[in-house]
Amino acid sequence: DAGVIQSPRHEVTEMGQEVTLRCKPISGHNSLFWYRQTMMRGLELLIYFNNNVPIDDSGMPEDRFSAKMPNASFSTLKIQPSEPRDSAVYFCASSFPGQGGQPQHFGDGTRLSIL
Amino acid sequence: GENVEQHPSTLSVQEGDSAVIKCTYSDSASNYFPWYKQELGKRPQLIIDIRSNVGEKKDQRIAVTLNKTAKHFSLHITETQPEDSAVYFCAASGDTGFQKLVFGTGTRLLVSP
Repeated sequence: DAGVIQSPRHEVTEMGQEVTLRCKPISGHNSLFWYRQTMMRGLELLIYFNNNVPIDDSGMPEDRFSAKMPNASFSTLKIQPSEPRDSAVYFCASSFPGQGGQPQHFGDGTRLSIL
Repeated sequence: GENVEQHPSTLSVQEGDSAVIKCTYSDSASNYFPWYKQELGKRPQLIIDIRSNVGEKKDQRIAVTLNKTAKHFSLHITETQPEDSAVYFCAASGDTGFQKLVFGTGTRLLVSP
């Protein structure tokens, strides 16, 4: 039973470079969430999709951040250009459709370091 | 929108003691309340959840209680063990149409042998 799959697990790059994080949600899940976690700011919701459509991107910090979900099994979060303050762990989570709330299942995260 | 507050931010207990983490929420329409455990360097993992039509739910050493009137819910861990040491997050469904969750700020639990 494959969970949410994120790649890469670790990314180290220099300031100014483009960074692309990838996520494959659990099959059958129709909601997908991108989070950023840091010691200072905790777990922040950046953007979420439902049926591949972006619903709320108010958490995206700046125009340097963008996210896409071209199909039900793939999403990307892109940072261009990257800055040292973008260093964090980025989690993707997905959720099954259903009445009322449903649990979100998290991937193992991408640990991003911008030098 | 929904706002979730979580207390305490850190909690230290001796092995075998009980631990209680409390959360309050603001949106009376919220009806789903999960709890996540995050070990160091790992992903948040669901450990227990409760829906608004239930007042209490137990799973071995962990239990969650919900008071809809007061808009608060709590996680109870009994007979704590060192492996319970982690950060615990509560959450509330802020937008049930799309399964969005609003998370608390987390509680770092340390269980000392």
